[in-house]
Amino acid sequence: GENVEQHPSTLSVQEGDSAVIKCTYSDSASNYFPWYKQELGKGPQLIIDIRSNVGEKKDQRIAVTLNKTAKHFSLHITETQPEDSAVYFCAAGFGNEKLTFGTGTRLTIIP
Amino acid sequence: GAVVSQHPSWVICKSGTSVKIECRSLDFQATTMFWYRQFPKQSLMLMATSNEGSKATYEQGVEKDKFLINHASLTLSTLTVTSAHPEDSSFYICSARAIGAGTSGRTDTQYFGPGTRLTVL
Repeated sequence: GENVEQHPSTLSVQEGDSAVIKCTYSDSASNYFPWYKQELGKGPQLIIDIRSNVGEKKDQRIAVTLNKTAKHFSLHITETQPEDSAVYFCAAGFGNEKLTFGTGTRLTIIP
Repeated sequence: GAVVSQHPSWVICKSGTSVKIECRSLDFQATTMFWYRQFPKQSLMLMATSNEGSKATYEQGVEKDKFLINHASLTLSTLTVTSAHPEDSSFYICSARAIGAGTSGRTDTQYFGPGTRLTVL
């Protein structure tokens, strides 16, 4: 089955700086890669996703890049703000099959 | 659009009792709903996948007789924790995947509910 590794487990950045979270996956058949943000006591919220036919996708301060050859994808958050503090999860899946989640990154933005 | 609700948001029960958690897709129809549990500071662990009108598919190690799942309609799935014990205390989260085009959700995206915190005394 699919295995997703996520790094780092914790990340602290100064407000206004950029944050990068990286994930690798094992199953080359995976073609869908979403990122979720989870705040304390709440369910995960989809923030951006990318499919295997695209190398990069951007939505305002958030971007995701995908390298299918190396089987890794990354989340980039620019101009970080205090409200970006949360736990971020990457995931990988194929078609309409179930998603496999990474272990999560706790991002702390230092004012 | 693509809102998923859960009820209750939290529940406390005595050991040995059963608890039912509801998951609803409010503005789209969901062919498939997923149930996860999450322990503190850990990732989401998939428990089972439920498709409307058919039996749920459970992940390895999840007791189907303990965690009963019913997906009776395209907008509602329920998880019943039977004979709950303290070790079942956890954060239970559902997600829903939309059906077809023309609805609020995309078919390849899972939309998550807000979660239900279960505490078994």
